[in-house]
Amino acid sequence: AQSVTQLDSQVPVFEEAPVELRCNYSSSVSVYLFWYVQYPNQGLQLLLKYLSGSTLVKGINGFEAEFNKSQTSFHLRKPSVHISDTAEYFCAVSETKAAGNKLTFGGGTRVLVKP
Amino acid sequence: EAGVAQSPRYKIIEKRQSVAFWCNPISGHATLYWYQQILGQGPKLLIQFQNNGVVDDSQLPKDRFSAERLKGVDSTLKIQPAKLEDSAVYLCASSLVGQGRDEQFFGPGTRLTVL
Repeated sequence: AQSVTQLDSQVPVFEEAPVELRCNYSSSVSVYLFWYVQYPNQGLQLLLKYLSGSTLVKGINGFEAEFNKSQTSFHLRKPSVHISDTAEYFCAVSETKAAGNKLTFGGGTRVLVKP
Repeated sequence: EAGVAQSPRYKIIEKRQSVAFWCNPISGHATLYWYQQILGQGPKLLIQFQNNGVVDDSQLPKDRFSAERLKGVDSTLKIQPAKLEDSAVYLCASSLVGQGRDEQFFGPGTRLTVL
């Protein structure tokens, strides 16, 4: 079984400042890694995913994440945030060899961008 | 391309009543998921369908929850009888083939309040 820990439940940040959201996972098998964003009263939208290859993954809206296998981490970053980035962000994993496609989510990090 | 549709968007019921949620996935997507998202937590998978067959229902409370996808397209999730702790957002998602690397597309969710 796998688990995902998002170390920060809330992150306040000023507009145009950088932000980093931390994600650590635990799994006995190899995994795929995802970051989703959830805007108020909406479903989740995929920001980016790591499947294989380069450990630095670029996603939509200027976000990027780096996979670190030795530290079992997949931290999300954006160099300069906008007011519109205010949302909740979820890190998730799925097993590479599982028959299904079960996503295990972390508890989420709420980002509040201040003007 | 139309996204994942869910209805109703909001539902308020009293405990011990029954309730049903409907989901229509993206056209052509073989795999359909139901997640439960309790306030302040990440989504938790309840059940996964591949066409009209169940792939994973290990976290579905089967004494009160049921789900079906009879024709391999749309799906219904039912709770009978509801408990206070069932208050949550119920998210439906779909993916093309249900492999670990697949992106899951989420609907807007149904917010259930049990009084």
